[in-house]
Amino acid sequence: DIQMTQSPSLLSASVGDRVTLNCKASQNIYKNLAWYQQKLGEAPKLLIYNANSLQTGIPSRFSGSGSGTDFTLTISSLQPEDVATYFCQQYYSGSTFGAGTKLELK
Amino acid sequence: QIQLVQSGPELKKPGESVKISCKASGYTFTDYAMHWVKQAPGKGLKWMGWINTYTGKPTYADDFKGRFVFSLEASASTANLQISNLKNEDTATYFCARVCTIYVYYGPFAYWGQGTLVTVSS
Repeated sequence: DIQMTQSPSLLSASVGDRVTLNCKASQNIYKNLAWYQQKLGEAPKLLIYNANSLQTGIPSRFSGSGSGTDFTLTISSLQPEDVATYFCQQYYSGSTFGAGTKLELK
Repeated sequence: QIQLVQSGPELKKPGESVKISCKASGYTFTDYAMHWVKQAPGKGLKWMGWINTYTGKPTYADDFKGRFVFSLEASASTANLQISNLKNEDTATYFCARVCTIYVYYGPFAYWGQGTLVTVSS
């Protein structure tokens, strides 16, 4: 099974900061990776698919990069509404989610 | 618009069974695979498996083989998850989720149900 490791598990940042979240796969998954945002009490929302494609309706301050085993989600200028937990997901072989990064305001 | 609407919260005792439904609307149900995801309280997301909505064939992740059954009522555009012999560790919110791309089994999930909380307690 493919394992997904996210870091950090908790991130504190200020409004306007550039924020980077990481996700590492235990084997090559090419670009079969998605990022989700989940706010408390809600279903996850798809932000990025195929590692770097922005889902329709998602603000352009969100971007994804990477391929193979190492991936990054970047928020170019953090907004208060971005406080949430972020999960990566591989769909190269079955599906696996990372444990999540909780993003809070400093 | 595309919607996945799940059944309401459930309170069950250990050893009982529960059936959760996920009713789809706004698209052709049999064209897109349906997946199930578990989220224990305060924890992350765990992929449970998926069901081919055209053939009805289920595929289970390793940790969900045995007590978990995916099924369909295709005429009602509904996918179901049944859990038997409930245990305390089954307490979680269960989500159905639809893949983005037609006729693709694995992929990102663009559409999610609102989640169904199952609480198992004696």
